[in-house]
Amino acid sequence: GESVGLHLPTLSVQEGDNSIINCAYSNSASDYFIWYKQESGKGPQFIIDIRSNMDKRQGQRVTVLLNKTVKHLSLQIAATQPGDSAVYFCAEQRGLGSTLTFGKGTMLLVSP
Amino acid sequence: ETGVTQSPTHLIKTRGQQVTLRCSSQSGHNTVSWYQQALGQGPQFIFQYYREEENGRGNFPPRFSGLQFPNYSSELNVNALELDDSALYLCASSLLGQGASWYFGSGTRLTVV
Repeated sequence: GESVGLHLPTLSVQEGDNSIINCAYSNSASDYFIWYKQESGKGPQFIIDIRSNMDKRQGQRVTVLLNKTVKHLSLQIAATQPGDSAVYFCAEQRGLGSTLTFGKGTMLLVSP
Repeated sequence: ETGVTQSPTHLIKTRGQQVTLRCSSQSGHNTVSWYQQALGQGPQFIFQYYREEENGRGNFPPRFSGLQFPNYSSELNVNALELDDSALYLCASSLLGQGASWYFGSGTRLTVV
């Protein structure tokens, strides 16, 4: 079936660097794409989402880019901090408030 | 903190037993979804409840069942536990029709031995 997946299982960066986490999706019918952060022992925490009719959305220190031509989603974190260390999941949603289909996740490790 | 609380935080059960996991949704939320997250994997959708009725289900067998109560809290029941049921079980709540965001609890870590 259709799914959301990630290119890189682990990303290691230095504190202060910019991080880019990538995600490939296969269902062009999805309406929303969402990034979640999951720290050890906690549930996924909403970071930012983007509608399928947009190609860029910015939040605080984070930017999500959507390229529908190649079905690619990325999360950019500016000035990465040790507190950003976590597993990041992209997820797709096929309608407002519908269920989420998650990818496998990328672990981000930030060294001081 | 999201306001979604789950209990217990950890649980160990024997194969063949039954288990009930509980979730209190965020205040004002009327929809609850349950997810299973195996180690190193993304969460997988089990089912969703809206106004006490199941209104969506993932690829899980009937021994996974649930309830939603008038106060929108919810239970996940799993019968005839199997070793592969060992996972983190996550509850998420949302206000259906008001947005795309789901808010997750910290989960219940179930170990089946």
